[in-house]
Amino acid sequence: GAVVSQHPSWVICKSGTSVKIECRSLDFQATTMFWYRQFPKQSLMLMATSNEGSKATYEQGVEKDKFLINHASLTLSTLTVTSAHPEDSSFYICSAHRGDRGVDSPLHFGNGTRLTVT
Amino acid sequence: SQQGEEDPQALSIQEGENATMNCSYKTSINNLQWYRQNSGRGLVHLILIRSNEREKHSGRLRVTLDTSKKSSSLLITASRAADTASYFCATDGNAGNMLTFGGGTRLMVKP
Repeated sequence: GAVVSQHPSWVICKSGTSVKIECRSLDFQATTMFWYRQFPKQSLMLMATSNEGSKATYEQGVEKDKFLINHASLTLSTLTVTSAHPEDSSFYICSAHRGDRGVDSPLHFGNGTRLTVT
Repeated sequence: SQQGEEDPQALSIQEGENATMNCSYKTSINNLQWYRQNSGRGLVHLILIRSNEREKHSGRLRVTLDTSKKSSSLLITASRAADTASYFCATDGNAGNMLTFGGGTRLMVKP
């Protein structure tokens, strides 16, 4: 149980275009989802916290107008990279927290999206 | 910001040997978790240890926590080639379910 599906797994886009990444909790309701960015051989950097029905909370240094997050339902959060540039190329990972398992239950991660901007 | 620091950054061992990874953190915590990441994939939760626990076991995994030193260790016994992955510690920092990840240890187990 507790499966998180992230789509697409990889995407190549041209500079200036926008890309949407979806994160779905398949068998549970996710009151909170998190979006991370990971550079090669580095750790995960939290970009933003997404709460269902409210605005996302962005970490310092993350441009909210560039990385649009929408958490319209308890099972879906989307990250849209707007006007993508080559420096946005990275591995983006979402995770979800099961609201019914307490605050110290583990996070469940998607398999990530490899974004390459040419 | 990254709270945890992991040591070593990379570890290469032979199959059958034990692998020990260490994690240090800076603020008080409710719990500390260890995750595994295969290359190019998401993270998989391995084990959670609460701040009032000192040691926890799960199969071939043994985790210790020393809150006075703000450190934790993950021991994988009798390693297998399939254990090759990156391992991350993560702390909640009293921030509920928001986790901060350490830098990770890249483990390679040679057959």
